Amino acid sequence: KAGVTQTPRYLIKTRGQQVTLSCSPISGHRSVSWYQQTPGQGLQFLFEYFSETQRNKGNFPGRFSGRQFSNSRSEMNVSTLELGDSALYLCASRDGLAGNTEAFFGQGTRLTVV
Amino acid sequence: QKEVEQNSGPLSVPEGAIASLNCTYSDRGSQSFFWYRQYSGKSPELIMSIYSNGDKEDGRFTAQLNKASQYVSLLIRDSQPSDSATYLCAVNGANDYKLSFGAGTTVTVRA
Repeated sequence: KAGVTQTPRYLIKTRGQQVTLSCSPISGHRSVSWYQQTPGQGLQFLFEYFSETQRNKGNFPGRFSGRQFSNSRSEMNVSTLELGDSALYLCASRDGLAGNTEAFFGQGTRLTVV
Repeated sequence: QKEVEQNSGPLSVPEGAIASLNCTYSDRGSQSFFWYRQYSGKSPELIMSIYSNGDKEDGRFTAQLNKASQYVSLLIRDSQPSDSATYLCAVNGANDYKLSFGAGTTVTVRA
């Protein structure tokens, strides 16, 4: 069974640009959550998508957005990049039908904003 | 108050000893609790899940849950150098499907 796949693994962008990250969940999983991880803030919840609908949202500015497709693949977009957006972006895949299902992470996308 | 809090580290233990990690959470209605291990430069890896009060053992790992005290712990017995990592406590919200994480506790097992 394939795991969670995130692409690309590494990105370098210039301040002011936008970026799109992709996450393909485990086959059969309908929930994808996105997290930002920085040394100072730990794992911060961005949002969660389930069956193409945003089900939960964290406290991030509107520059951070996402979507989910009918095959459960999800994309996250960050517009007008700032230096502080440099982080490891992780997506987590879970069944999502109940709140107690286990979440599995992809390898992450390391974003560097210069 | 943070949703999930973990005991501050780093925690250094000798090889073969027991490492004890603690976590408290604020949402009294939470029902699902998880421990993840994260090696430096890698993504978090699920090592334990626990849903009922009491202990759950899996190999050298034991998770303990006390919902009345809103407390979750992880014990690592016979600690090995390969256990050196950051351990993250995660709690599922009572009324939503949001999984919240603590800041993590870094464990170093010294040979």
